Amino acid sequence: NAGVTQTPKFQVLKTGQSMTLQCAQDMNHEYMSWYRQDPGMGLRLIHYSVGAGITDQGEVPNGYNVSRSTTEDFPLRLLSAAPSQTSVYFCASRRSNTEAFFGQGTRLTVV
Amino acid sequence: AQSVTQLDSHVSVSEGTPVLLRCNYSSSYSPSLFWYVQHPNKGLQLLLKYTSAATLVKGINGFEAEFKKSETSFHLTKPSAHMSDAAEYFCVVSDPVYYGNNRLAFGKGNQVVVIP
Repeated sequence: NAGVTQTPKFQVLKTGQSMTLQCAQDMNHEYMSWYRQDPGMGLRLIHYSVGAGITDQGEVPNGYNVSRSTTEDFPLRLLSAAPSQTSVYFCASRRSNTEAFFGQGTRLTVV
Repeated sequence: AQSVTQLDSHVSVSEGTPVLLRCNYSSSYSPSLFWYVQHPNKGLQLLLKYTSAATLVKGINGFEAEFKKSETSFHLTKPSAHMSDAAEYFCVVSDPVYYGNNRLAFGKGNQVVVIP
């Protein structure tokens, strides 16, 4: 099983550029989430989804968009990259009331 | 909303000595609790979980944690640290889905250094 697959692993963007981080899971989980990890901050929730067609904002949603057209995929879009969005991004999926499975992360640098 | 407090952002232990990482949570309900480990430049791996069964939970690599509702704690322990335990550890809480949106709340993490 592939589990949760994130692409790309590394990315460098210029300020103002846009991009999409891809996330796919093959476990038929209803819940999917995006987090960013910054030193000393733990993981902070950006956006999440409780099923296809349903998304909601987390703690730090500004500057990011999501959509969920299928159970498997949950892409994260950066609309206009800013240096403050330099971070490591993790996608996760889970069933309700169970543990989350994480992708390997995307290290994003905005210059 | 639920929340997690992990004190001691950096913890140093000598190889072969016990490891204790403290986690206190805040929740209005009976939560699920998890510990995850993250090795350098890697993703997060589940160490163990509490989901309202036995209060003493055993996980991988010799780790265990005890759920204490009266103290709202879920401390992680290991009797003898190994060099491979050097990593960052996160305590995570989730309210039951029928009381909310089942979101996960992360503590800020404990960076563990193992001294030879």
